[in-house]
Amino acid sequence: AQSVTQLDSQVPVFEEAPVELRCNYSSSVSVYLFWYVQYPNQGLQLLLKYLSGSTLVESINGFEAEFNKSQTSFHLRKPSVHISDTAEYFCAVGFETKIIFGSGTRLSIRP
Amino acid sequence: GAGVSQSPSNKVTEKGKDVELRCDPISGHTALYWYRQSLGQGLEFLIYFQGNSAPDKSGLPSDRFSAERTGGSVSTLTIQRTQQEDSAVYLCASSKGVGELFFGEGSRLTVL
Repeated sequence: AQSVTQLDSQVPVFEEAPVELRCNYSSSVSVYLFWYVQYPNQGLQLLLKYLSGSTLVESINGFEAEFNKSQTSFHLRKPSVHISDTAEYFCAVGFETKIIFGSGTRLSIRP
Repeated sequence: GAGVSQSPSNKVTEKGKDVELRCDPISGHTALYWYRQSLGQGLEFLIYFQGNSAPDKSGLPSDRFSAERTGGSVSTLTIQRTQQEDSAVYLCASSKGVGELFFGEGSRLTVL
């Protein structure tokens, strides 16, 4: 069965520290990959996506994710986080006919 | 409007009643999704419409749930004989083929 796993439900980090949010999926077919972010009291919005081409993709606010086909992973990283990055992050995987989301990772930034 | 519109934004109902949730996608978007977001849970896939193809209903949790999309545009999610475990935020999203999903603000359903 197709599934998306976000291993960490919560990740607390200090401001300016690096962070990695993990995402793994199970599929035997080609997929396309997304990270969505939900800031407090706001709707979901796209952070970055991988459809094809370079396996390393970046967002405008310093996040990056790398598609690793052999490990079926699409981990999200940022070298130095800011208070404004406090949000819930959802990994999503597009399978043949639908897009499935992980359970989300709540990123909390400590000053 | 420019974005995905959902109504009502909030709905409180009694157990056993039927509810209808509406989604108006972005004009020209052929794909439409319904998801359910419960407290502490991720987004649970419910149903997917793509153009004139048969919808993917594999995520609907029971036969009390149904959805339709009229004229390839507006969609209605219907929950019959609501139960307390149906309480959640129901999110609609649309997209133009493969790619970014644009989400509505959601309909928060509370079943008493």
